[in-house]
Amino acid sequence: QSVLTQPPSASGTPGQRVTISCSGSSSNIGSNYLYWYQQLPGTAPKLLIYTNNQRPSGVPDRFSGSKSGTSASLAISGLRSEDEADYYCAAWDDSLSAWFFGGGTKLTVL
Amino acid sequence: QVQLVESGGGVVQPGRSLRLSCAASGFTFSSYGIHWVRQAPGKGLEWVAVTSYDGGNKYYADSVKGRFTISRDNSKNTLYLQMNSLRIEDTAVYYCAKDRNSGWYGGFDSWGQGTLVTVSS
Repeated sequence: QSVLTQPPSASGTPGQRVTISCSGSSSNIGSNYLYWYQQLPGTAPKLLIYTNNQRPSGVPDRFSGSKSGTSASLAISGLRSEDEADYYCAAWDDSLSAWFFGGGTKLTVL
Repeated sequence: QVQLVESGGGVVQPGRSLRLSCAASGFTFSSYGIHWVRQAPGKGLEWVAVTSYDGGNKYYADSVKGRFTISRDNSKNTLYLQMNSLRIEDTAVYYCAKDRNSGWYGGFDSWGQGTLVTVSS
């Protein structure tokens, strides 16, 4: 059982809006920032969202993050074929003194 | 721009040791925490360890605690991961990743390309 829980898969058609959820607990998401990473096939992960809802420069505003209590979401609007990738949430856990990733969500653009 | 280049991966037998290196450039290495993150073939990301900017604080995943040691040489802009008592389940691509802050809690904002470690008899 992962500390952070994500759905294993998500899908959408071009132009659609999709959301990916990440569920945790009071010791991780509930008390620390949440981060999202995008991993395109065969490449290293890339920071997509930091401190819950901030985008690094260069990340399109089609990507947005939100957090409420012990859950968080990544939303992708105007879905494009190049968004097909694995997406991971991550947070520090105060009780375990460790970082945890969600299991990852494979996004398919139909 | 930030560049992180891992090296030292390879094939090693169970129970043996290996040391990974991560050479950093393009930023003030001594000001930032640095992590190791791994990814087993076909699996998700797993955080391994972190060292704060000065090496004064280090944290490890339970799966590697007591076997792996993270260290850094700020004079050489290099991060290390000493891996002892390797197990088959340690087989993975190992990435080094820069923290956004000087400590261990800022998240990973830049990643290397990874180095593959294969533990096999």
